[in-house]
Amino acid sequence: GQNIDQPTEMTATEGAIVQINCTYQTSGFNGLFWYQQHAGEAPTFLSYNVLDGLEEKGRFSSFLSRSKGYSYLLLKELQMKDSASYLCAVGGEDSNYQLIWGAGTKLIIKP
Amino acid sequence: DAGVIQSPRHEVTEMGQEVTLRCKPISGHDYLFWYRQTMMRGLELLIYFNNNVPIDDSGMPEDRFSAKMPNASFSTLKIQPSEPRDSAVYFCASSLYSGGGDTQYFGPGTRLTVL
Repeated sequence: GQNIDQPTEMTATEGAIVQINCTYQTSGFNGLFWYQQHAGEAPTFLSYNVLDGLEEKGRFSSFLSRSKGYSYLLLKELQMKDSASYLCAVGGEDSNYQLIWGAGTKLIIKP
Repeated sequence: DAGVIQSPRHEVTEMGQEVTLRCKPISGHDYLFWYRQTMMRGLELLIYFNNNVPIDDSGMPEDRFSAKMPNASFSTLKIQPSEPRDSAVYFCASSLYSGGGDTQYFGPGTRLTVL
């Protein structure tokens, strides 16, 4: 079957670094997305990885290892506004244009 | 572009009533997706369209749900009759290319409460 696992909730301190992990098992692979969703709002795109390695974008970085079925989102210099849910989503079979979504990780930032 | 537009933003209705949710995708996007999000089940894909044609509706819960896309700039999701278990946030999203390898842009969502 197809499955995406990520921790339900994490807590971190303002100014610190946090890593949110995502492991996946899918039929085929067409890229991995990270989305941010603030409470009561829509998911918004953060990053996309299709090749192995690290993609850096400001305070946020995303890593992918296709052989291990593993990704992480790294958030540096945490700010209170980073409190949100972070959704991992994987593009599945090439012929089926669907994203397979993880349940999301709720990140709580404490002062 | 204004982004994906959804209406209404909030809907409260009574069990048995018909509910119609509306979506206007980003101009030029060929793919449109309808999702439902709840605390228990997370984000679920209900149906998606490519160039106004429904491609996969396997996520539609049951016959009470139907979706249409009469043209490239408008889609509806209808629930008839509605039930309390349909209470959720319904998102519409669009993408330029296939959803599996292209960024999806979400509308603000419709929060549906069925009493």
